[in-house]
Amino acid sequence: RKEVEQDPGPFNVPEGATVAFNCTYSNSASQSFFWYRQDCRKEPKLLMSVYSSGNEDGRFTAQLNRASQYISLLIRDSKLSDSATYLCALNDMRFGAGTRLTVKP
Amino acid sequence: NAGVTQTPKFQVLKTGQSMTLQCAQDMNHNSMYWYRQDPGMGLRLIYYSASEGTTDKGEVPNGYNVSRLNKREFSLRLESAAPSQTSVYFCASSERREVGYTFGSGTRLTVV
Repeated sequence: RKEVEQDPGPFNVPEGATVAFNCTYSNSASQSFFWYRQDCRKEPKLLMSVYSSGNEDGRFTAQLNRASQYISLLIRDSKLSDSATYLCALNDMRFGAGTRLTVKP
Repeated sequence: NAGVTQTPKFQVLKTGQSMTLQCAQDMNHNSMYWYRQDPGMGLRLIYYSASEGTTDKGEVPNGYNVSRLNKREFSLRLESAAPSQTSVYFCASSERREVGYTFGSGTRLTVV
């Protein structure tokens, strides 16, 4: 099993849809979790941290499930501009390979 | 507000040549990192520096060396480039691991 695993996608969704990605991790000692967004041929940019209690930032909601060792990212009311690759990361400096999202008109 | 600056942005090397990738941050961050990103492999950590004066190996350090020149600068050196080192290299920095990273814009390296 990979240390950090994501479904590579692509997820193709219509504008306005709700979409969710999961990221599973194997290191049960991990303490901090993050979601990054990476546009094509650009650097990753921090989207949000994932707190134990879950957190929300506008249309984006991140959740942590320690028992099952995964984090999730929910995007509501998808916009064309949400099209990107979403990477999860742990504080042990490991990243998932990313999930590609394409939002279509 | 520069953040993390990497140079060069693009480079083509011949097998066996050497080069140094430069990285500088102006956010007074303690920690700096070098990653490579290959299709389907995601970001893999090459080396990191938790603080000025320290460096440690990451997941894929073979064929690379690093220098933490001062708090701002962290360079990555390829002593004898190989085609397997063709990749996109990202430098990143953070105040500490628990708060996430700021990445530079990357160096696209091709070794022929």
